[in-house]
Amino acid sequence: DARVTQTPRHKVTEMGQEVTMRCQPILGHNTVFWYRQTMMQGLELLAYFRNRAPLDDSGMPKDRFSAEMPDATLATLKIQPSEPRDSAVYFCASGLDRLSSYNEQFFGPGTRLTVL
Amino acid sequence: AQSVTQLGSHVSVSEGALVLLRCNYSSSVPPYLFWYVQYPNQGLQLLLKYTSAATLVKGINGFEAEFKKSETSFHLTKPSAHMSDAAEYFCAVTLGINLFFGTGTRLTVIP
Repeated sequence: DARVTQTPRHKVTEMGQEVTMRCQPILGHNTVFWYRQTMMQGLELLAYFRNRAPLDDSGMPKDRFSAEMPDATLATLKIQPSEPRDSAVYFCASGLDRLSSYNEQFFGPGTRLTVL
Repeated sequence: AQSVTQLGSHVSVSEGALVLLRCNYSSSVPPYLFWYVQYPNQGLQLLLKYTSAATLVKGINGFEAEFKKSETSFHLTKPSAHMSDAAEYFCAVTLGINLFFGTGTRLTVIP
């Protein structure tokens, strides 16, 4: 069945290193969302795209985070340089934007990032 | 602006007892409402959704929720808790693209 896939599932890295997380949205979906989940802050929206164009990335620390969609089947979230406070689970979700209705989001399994 | 408030960050019930997880929404126009469940080390999975059709919505795993406009509520219920229901539950609201999530309620089921 159709699912959102994310790689890697786990990532341990050292402070200062670049981290790239990848997401493959469900085929045919035209919206992609990146979320971060921590115990302290809960679920935070970092950025989202429609038809590969970024609509809002106000939730991201601009100096170190970047999100892109090189093509319709791949979304990436990069952190450079990474810091210990970036340790969290990062979720990707995709959906089909029905302009006259709601956008149901389907979540991937997440990437658990640990920055030492 | 839309938002949801989930009352109770932790709820404990005995196996076989009624499950009631509370969610109140704030929206200037009739919203679309969702309940998601997150099992340990997994992503969020849609339980059910309200899209302005029937006010009583049935979802997966025996859960249901009732949209009450007069109370601005969308509480999640299940008549009889099962051990496998132990998870975190998120209420969410949208008027379009974005989902606005509540802070979550962790459900513990006591054997």
